[in-house]
This record gives sequence, C-alpha cells and structure tokens, in this order.
Amino acid sequence: EAGVTQFPSHSVIEKGQTVTLRCDPISGHDNLYWYRRVMGKEIKFLLHFVKESKQDESGMPNNRFLAERTGGTYSTLKVQPAELEDSGVYFCASSHQGLAGGPAYTQYFGPGTRLTVL
Amino acid sequence: LAKTTQPISMDSYEGQEVNITCSHNNIATNDYITWYQQFPSQGPRFIIQGYKTKVTNEVASLFIPADRKSSTLSLPRVSLSDTAVYYCLVVIPLYNQGGKLIFGQGTELSVKP
Repeated sequence: EAGVTQFPSHSVIEKGQTVTLRCDPISGHDNLYWYRRVMGKEIKFLLHFVKESKQDESGMPNNRFLAERTGGTYSTLKVQPAELEDSGVYFCASSHQGLAGGPAYTQYFGPGTRLTVL
Repeated sequence: LAKTTQPISMDSYEGQEVNITCSHNNIATNDYITWYQQFPSQGPRFIIQGYKTKVTNEVASLFIPADRKSSTLSLPRVSLSDTAVYYCLVVIPLYNQGGKLIFGQGTELSVKP
C-alpha cells in the first residue's frame, strides 16, 4: 500500500508570506497527525484529526497556523503569515482508529516538508 | 504523560548486538512503550511496541521488566544501515488521549565498520 505522502518536500518563502503544506494519509486511516521539528529541537505534536474533526489541537503554536481535513481524506496546514521561527520540518502521520482498551495503533509518518522562512 | 530518558548517543560496530535502555518512571497503567527509528531526511518509522515482558519481531526485541519503569530495545547484529536516531516513547491508548506521540531527544546510534 502507498505510504503517507507530503507535498512539497521543500518550501522556501519570505517572512510574511503564506505557505500551505499538504498531507495525504494512507487510505483508510481515520487518524491524521501533524508534527514539526524546529532547528535543534525535538519533534513536537501539533494536532490530531479523527476523520474531518479536530480531536486535539493543543500543540498548535498560534493562530497563524490553520489545519483542515476536508472530507476526512487529505489534510492541509497553512501558515499565514509565516515567521522566521516557523522554519523546520513538518511531518504528517496517519493511523487506524484504535479500539477501546487496545494498544495505540502504529503511526506511519511521511517524509516531511522542510520549510525555510527567510 | 510519562517522560522518557535515554542515552543521547551510542557507538557500535557491525555485527554486534546493541541494547538501548530507556527509563520511564512515571508510566501509567494503560500506557504502552513504543520505539521509533529515524534516518536523516525521513520521517520516524515504527520499530516495535510492547506492554510488558518481551516482544520480538523481525527487526528488534523489546524487553520490559515487571515494574515497567524501563525498557530495553535490542538490535541483533547491527549493520551500517542501522545508523539512525532511536526514540523511546510512552503512548497512551487511542481511546483515551488520541495517541499523540511525545518525542524526546532520542538516541543517536552510530554503527562503524
């Protein structure tokens, strides 16, 4: 089966511009997650969709970030306006929906989008 | 969420067995222990997950003592291609908290010829 795909692989923009990242999860996966790693830091959770609904957006840094998952398929993460500190690698992951009392299902990660804000 | 502690880096040679130990003193009753591997310019990749005792798959083994306050990832006969960062994570089951992953700094494993 096809893995998680992300587009673009790299994006270089200037401060103040807008960038939209796209993630296509593995077909049939209800859970979709966004993470990011900024330079020198650990990978941090941003938010979690279950189908088209936001389950947990506690990791979103501020209101310049907007995530959507229309129809419960692919997801977009828009940064508007971008700031220098937004530079980093943005990862998307997907997994099956878990069963009550069961283990956490494996999250499959995409290759990431490297965002550079100048 | 349980915090994990693991060595920042480890060195090994091809053909050796590598054991990476992770401590998670505050692990909760329902939490699972999961290990991910990450190569440069790639996303993290699931290796193995367990709750207690021993779990083995085609890639690695995971040893978890009875108190579950630590775990050890064992990589048999490593090769150069096993050079990567290895993350130990404590994961809350999906039904409770959504299963978000909390990454630490990981262990950078360097395998030499």
